[in-house]
Amino acid sequence: KNQVEQSPQSLIILEGKNCTLQCNYTVSPFSNLRWYKQDTGRGPVSLTIMTFSENTKSNGRYTATLDADTKQSSLHITASQLSDSASYICVVSEYYKLSFGAGTTVTVRA
Amino acid sequence: GAVVSQHPSWVICKSGTSVKIECRSLDFQATTMFWYRQFPKQSLMLMATSNEGSKATYEQGVEKDKFLINHASLTLSTLTVTSAHPEDSSFYICSASFAGTYSNQPQHFGDGTRLSIL
Repeated sequence: KNQVEQSPQSLIILEGKNCTLQCNYTVSPFSNLRWYKQDTGRGPVSLTIMTFSENTKSNGRYTATLDADTKQSSLHITASQLSDSASYICVVSEYYKLSFGAGTTVTVRA
Repeated sequence: GAVVSQHPSWVICKSGTSVKIECRSLDFQATTMFWYRQFPKQSLMLMATSNEGSKATYEQGVEKDKFLINHASLTLSTLTVTSAHPEDSSFYICSASFAGTYSNQPQHFGDGTRLSIL
């Protein structure tokens, strides 16, 4: 069973709208949590990285939150743009090993 | 900064041939490089971890004689898929870290190689 579960599996939003992606994990011990953006046919690009002591981090229109007690994280996309269409992957690190979620595919429509 | 280049981006070859994929860190020295495999709509699966100058560490279920990894320098790692078969067709992605495996620094990913075996 995957230790990192993401939801929803996919979503479609209109340009300019906001959306929130969820990530629940069971990885332990926990070192850090990362969100990556992966365009189709490309490698993942880092958006944010948070340690257990951080509960929010922003990168432009992307804001990630982390609740280490409940082992939940979210990625909020504000004022979506067509270029935000991609797969968003939650990755949890247990020091030396990364556990990847299956990703949420976001499609932004004009 | 922190650019990782992967080559080739797409390769199609006949069953039984060997294919070499290169992963280069262009503007930093990569202490550790990672090789992943990704099937459509699935997570990246770690295949192996390589540290410069030492043998790669393979994940359970990954055949080291099938997937040969060489990390001869701090800027180059290669993955060779030997005697490739159609079931080896996949998206292979490398990543590099300049701070080793025990680090909060992000891994920097290449753009992947789409391998199709006919």
